[in-house]
Amino acid sequence: GDSVTQMEGPVTLSEEAFLTINCTYTATGYPSLFWYVQYPGEGLQLLLKATKADDKGSNKGFEATYRKETTSFHLEKGSVQVSDSAVYFCALSDQTGNQFYFGTGTSLTVIP
Amino acid sequence: NAGVTQTPKFRVLKTGQSMTLLCAQDMNHEYMYWYRQDPGMGLRLIHYSVGEGTTAKGEVPDGYNVSRLKKQNFLLGLESAAPSQTSVYFCASNRLGTDTQYFGPGTRLTVL
Repeated sequence: GDSVTQMEGPVTLSEEAFLTINCTYTATGYPSLFWYVQYPGEGLQLLLKATKADDKGSNKGFEATYRKETTSFHLEKGSVQVSDSAVYFCALSDQTGNQFYFGTGTSLTVIP
Repeated sequence: NAGVTQTPKFRVLKTGQSMTLLCAQDMNHEYMYWYRQDPGMGLRLIHYSVGEGTTAKGEVPDGYNVSRLKKQNFLLGLESAAPSQTSVYFCASNRLGTDTQYFGPGTRLTVL
């Protein structure tokens, strides 16, 4: 079945450091891929998405590129801020578009 | 717009007790979902609904029932709570034909 595997955390970085969180997927067909962010005590919010191969999603300085050949959707940011501290989830929607599959989440802490 | 709201925010139950979690959305979305979030396991889909009067099982439906009598509401019921159902429950919704989910703030349930 469809699934998402993402890099385990927690990840601790200094402010202005480069961030990469790895995500790979297994899916039938051509899923849409997502990164969601969860701030403490809140629900998940969509950070970015990509709907087809080679698409790049971007938002708030974060980027991820849909790589079909490596079945990956790694999240990157060139310079993290303390306010980026949160849990990040990689996800995909299946072929029907009715079901979504989430990774286990990666906790990021950015220290000043 | 309030978006997606969940009631209650916190609840403690004893084993064998029953309860209903309410999810409400004011965005006129057709699709609604219930997930549970457990440490190290990310979000797992319990049940979902693609429209008023319809429901379907997700990845982990056992021990839960749902109803979608009104388009804006999606109820999750636990008939006989078990400690294994201790979790944080999230509701989400999205519009037909789109793949961006909107999440509620979550309900933290503890079963003793």
